[in-house]
Amino acid sequence: EPEVTQTPSHQVTQMGQEVILRCVPISNHLYFYWYRQILGQKVEFLVSFYNNEISEKSEIFDDQFSVERPDGSNFTLKIRSTKLEDSAMYFCASGLHYGYTFGSGTRLTVV
Amino acid sequence: EDQVTQSPEALRLQEGESSSLNCSYTVSGLRGLFWYRQDPGKGPEFLFTLYSAGEEKEKERLKATLTKKESFLHITAPKPEDSATYLCAVSNSNSGYALNFGKGTSLLVTP
Repeated sequence: EPEVTQTPSHQVTQMGQEVILRCVPISNHLYFYWYRQILGQKVEFLVSFYNNEISEKSEIFDDQFSVERPDGSNFTLKIRSTKLEDSAMYFCASGLHYGYTFGSGTRLTVV
Repeated sequence: EDQVTQSPEALRLQEGESSSLNCSYTVSGLRGLFWYRQDPGKGPEFLFTLYSAGEEKEKERLKATLTKKESFLHITAPKPEDSATYLCAVSNSNSGYALNFGKGTSLLVTP
C-alpha cells in the first residue's frame, strides 16, 4: 500500500537554528499538507499546498514557516528560526481530496 | 470558530465489550466529518468520512454515524488490536480540505 514517507523521524535542533523537514507524498496525489501535534495536544493544521502554491494556511503558519515542492516528489517544511515552542510532532499528508494519508511524522525537539 | 469535543478522553474496555465514542461539533457549514485512528508515535490513519446527518459508514468492528450536532463511533466486540486513540475532525465550507481535529479518545481494550 502506498505511503507518505517523512525524514528524519527525529530531529534535535538548537533554538534559533533553521530546520527543514522532508516528505515524499504518494505519487499520484495532488494535495499536500503539514500538520503538527504538540505533546498531549490535538493535531493542528498548518498549511495546504496545491498546484505548486499554498492554498490555505492557519494562524500558526507565520513568516517563520515556508513550504516548497522542489521537485516532482519531495515536499518540505522549513522553519527559519526555531523556538522552544516549535517542539512537536510534524506530520505530512497527501491526498486527492478528503480522506488523505498521513506520514509517521518527524519529532522535532528544540533545545 | 469551529469546535470539536470528544468524549470520553479515555476508555478502557474488556475484549468483546461494545461501546461508543462521541464527537460533538460546532461548525459553520459542515463540509465533512472525519474519523481517524492514531497509534502511539504514528500519524493518523483515515477511517471514515461522513457528509450529512443520517449517514452511516462501517468497517469491520467500527461503525460511524452522524447527526447535526454529533457523531458516534460504535465499536462492536472490540479486540486488543483496536486499542488506539480515535480522532474526530471536521472541515467547514470555508476551509478547503483543512481539518480541525478534536483531542481524541484513547481506547484500551484488554484481553
